[in-house]
Amino acid sequence: GQNIDQPTEMTATEGAIVQINCTYQTSGFNGLFWYQQHAGEAPTFLSYNVLDGLEEKGRFSSFLSRSKGYSYLLLKELQMKDSASYLCAVRDGDYKLSFGAGTTVTVRA
Amino acid sequence: IAGITQAPTSQILAAGRRMTLRCTQDMRHNAMYWYRQDLGLGLRLIHYSNTAGTTGKGEVPDGYSVSRANTDDFPLTLASAVPSQTSVYFCASSEYKTGPDTQYFGPGTRLTVL
Repeated sequence: GQNIDQPTEMTATEGAIVQINCTYQTSGFNGLFWYQQHAGEAPTFLSYNVLDGLEEKGRFSSFLSRSKGYSYLLLKELQMKDSASYLCAVRDGDYKLSFGAGTTVTVRA
Repeated sequence: IAGITQAPTSQILAAGRRMTLRCTQDMRHNAMYWYRQDLGLGLRLIHYSNTAGTTGKGEVPDGYSVSRANTDDFPLTLASAVPSQTSVYFCASSEYKTGPDTQYFGPGTRLTVL
């Protein structure tokens, strides 16, 4: 099985930067995903990392270090609409996703 | 294009009753998945199907069954519901390929078992 840890909650101010860390222990590794989930809605795909390094997509960036079992999601120029839960998920050797419990980000004006 | 639809949106069910949650996708994806999401526990995989005609057990399969008669539909059945099955259920689908095999999620079904 997988063990995926991420902080439960984070709060930041509009316009600021927030970094959400995710650590994992897996039996096999075929990529790491970040999903965004607004309250009462379905998760939606944000990013995918399979090689070490940084992937940038607009205001969002995701980093992976496979040797350390570590990833982070960086949210820049925070907007009120970024208030949501952010889910870290690891794909194992059987191509199944295991999710962390999620990090709830609250953006304050 | 609807993507993935789930029905019902929400349901209150008496313990011991049988219930089928429906999931349909129109993206011709090979793989489909059922998750449950509980506060503090995140999404947990119940059952999956990598292609029509095949199914497999996920992390929490007990009390649930699935079938995959065709590409589009993947119903989840609770044979005899219990209160611990109160949860939000999400269906998802993906192409099932190497690389970023992104899973797309349906809107969810909120189930309460009393």
